[in-house]
Amino acid sequence: ELKVEQNPLFLSMQEEKNYTIYCNYSTTSDRLYWYRQDPGKSLESLFVLLSNGAVKQEGRLMASLDTKARLSTLHITAAVHDLSATYFCAVSYGGATNKLIFGTGTLLAVQP
Amino acid sequence: DSGVTQTPKHLITATGQRVTLRCSPRSGDLSVYWYQQSLDQGLQFLIQYYNGEERAKGNILERFSAQQFPDLHSELNLSSLELGDSALYFCASSPDQGRGTYEQYFGPGTRLTVT
Repeated sequence: ELKVEQNPLFLSMQEEKNYTIYCNYSTTSDRLYWYRQDPGKSLESLFVLLSNGAVKQEGRLMASLDTKARLSTLHITAAVHDLSATYFCAVSYGGATNKLIFGTGTLLAVQP
Repeated sequence: DSGVTQTPKHLITATGQRVTLRCSPRSGDLSVYWYQQSLDQGLQFLIQYYNGEERAKGNILERFSAQQFPDLHSELNLSSLELGDSALYFCASSPDQGRGTYEQYFGPGTRLTVT
């Protein structure tokens, strides 16, 4: 059964510093997703990573995928308060069904 | 706004009751997924429908069932409700299988509180 682990679970960040969230998964998958969730809100898609070595960037966030290591990272550059939220990685499992197995989530809090 | 709609937004009901949650996917999306988010279980996949047919099942209790109608909207039925069923229920939709990223677009969710 596919398991997805994220760490850390909680990250207290200082503004303007850089941080990384790690997402490990236990079995082969060819699709990895990053989502953002604000408190009480829905999931907002950030990145879709489809192949080994894929790197995507949007603003201060950059995501990468290493399928051989079964590892994805979400790198935050020069954190700002607006990035405070919970971030989830999710791995596609089951071939054509594309059901998503989510990690535990990482709660980011950017302190001034 | 993802284009996926869910009703109702909030639902408060008593143990033992039955409720129906409704989801309308984005225009043109054939797949609908249901997920449950709770504090103790996190985000869990429940069930997927594709063009009216059940495609995949996850950790869905026997007391729960779903269907997708010819107009592609989907309903999740929860019966004999227990306190532990209190959670945020999300619906997501994605385009036809085999096209692009299989990205899933999430609705705003229905918050179910069982008292």
